Amino acid sequence: GNSVTQMEGPVTLSEEAFLTINCTYTATGYPSLFWYVQYPGEGLQLLLKATKADDKGSNKGFEATYRKETTSFHLEKGSVQVSDSAVYFCALSTNQAGTALIFGKGTTLSVSS
Amino acid sequence: GAGVSQSPSNKVTEKGKDVELRCDPISGHTALYWYRQSLGQGLEFLIYFQGNSAPDKSGLPSDRFSAERTGGSVSTLTIQRTQQEDSAVYLCASSQQENTEAFFGQGTRLTVV
Repeated sequence: GNSVTQMEGPVTLSEEAFLTINCTYTATGYPSLFWYVQYPGEGLQLLLKATKADDKGSNKGFEATYRKETTSFHLEKGSVQVSDSAVYFCALSTNQAGTALIFGKGTTLSVSS
Repeated sequence: GAGVSQSPSNKVTEKGKDVELRCDPISGHTALYWYRQSLGQGLEFLIYFQGNSAPDKSGLPSDRFSAERTGGSVSTLTIQRTQQEDSAVYLCASSQQENTEAFFGQGTRLTVV
């Protein structure tokens, strides 16, 4: 079936460190891929997305590239800030009628100054 | 509306009571999703509506859970005979059409005592 696997957290980094959060997926066809972020005390919001292979989504200094050959959509940021501390969710849409978005379990990022 | 609205924001109920959670999606969004987020857990899919029909009810954890959507707009998630394990944050999301990015509400925090 369709699924999303994220690296286990928590991820603890110092400010200005490089961030990678791994995400791999299993899906039939040609899914769209998303990263959502949930800041403390807030709802989930879309961070970035990619709809086809080799697309790169980017926002707020975060990037992720849709790699069909490795079925991955890893999230990266070159220099994290304390304000990036949040829970990050990788998700996919199968683009098939009648199916919901599928989320990974989420990865907690904690950045200290 | 401007965003997805959920009510109540917090609900404390006694074990065995029934509860109703409401979701008001963004105007014009045809797809509506319910998810559950427990402490330390990821997003658990519950049910998905396309218009007023629910093509995917596979995530409802038991027959105590039901949901409906009327007029292609407001949705209600009902939990009968609540149990302590039902305590969680219930999240609603909507999207303009299925398989596009979803916009989330702030959630309803349900506590069963």
